[in-house]
Amino acid sequence: NAGVTQTPKFRVLKTGQSMTLLCAQDMNHEYMYWYRQDPGMGLRLIHYSVGEGTTAKGEVPDGYNVSRLKKQNFLLGLESAAPSQTSVYFCASSSYRAGRSVNTEAFFGQGTRLTVV
Amino acid sequence: SQQGEEDPQALSIQEGENATMNCSYKTSINNLQWYRQNSGRGLVHLILIRSNEREKHSGRLRVTLDTSKKSSSLLITASRAADTASYFCATDSWGKLQFGAGTQVVVTP
Repeated sequence: NAGVTQTPKFRVLKTGQSMTLLCAQDMNHEYMYWYRQDPGMGLRLIHYSVGEGTTAKGEVPDGYNVSRLKKQNFLLGLESAAPSQTSVYFCASSSYRAGRSVNTEAFFGQGTRLTVV
Repeated sequence: SQQGEEDPQALSIQEGENATMNCSYKTSINNLQWYRQNSGRGLVHLILIRSNEREKHSGRLRVTLDTSKKSSSLLITASRAADTASYFCATDSWGKLQFGAGTQVVVTP
């Protein structure tokens, strides 16, 4: 029972390099999220998806792109990494109960620690 | 700016005491959730309260929600050293799940 799996767990990038973070969930959840966590800032929403093929911007989307081609995967891309993107990135997923028109609890991955030098 | 703001930012109590933290938010919500995080690990869900509910209990946790004031509170009764963690409120607005900056709780034996 894997839940939410993030790949990789650690990465060091040079300024200007690109990379993709992968989030995979095996719970058939509709909603998926990408957050970044910096000291004293809590979690800030980067992008989210309410279903396969759809994405939306969160609080801090600049410098990031996302794709959700398959329901179980949500990819976060950094096209040209900057030191300001040094952070811990968390992915989460949750289910939607249509009968109650409400979202349910979110399940989180263990995080990806990214350092941009 | 973040949707939710927790108060206080930090809380230090002794085992057996109650811990109370508050959350204020800005926009309309479907539900409000509380999460716990230990030492930079992934967040773990504690409790969810829907917008039409006013109070909810789960074990030693009690959550209240006042939608007219756009605020919520989390009470942890009879705290234990193992409750030492950061606690975050999160608001769900039609699938957009946003978090506050959190309250860091330290429970000393």
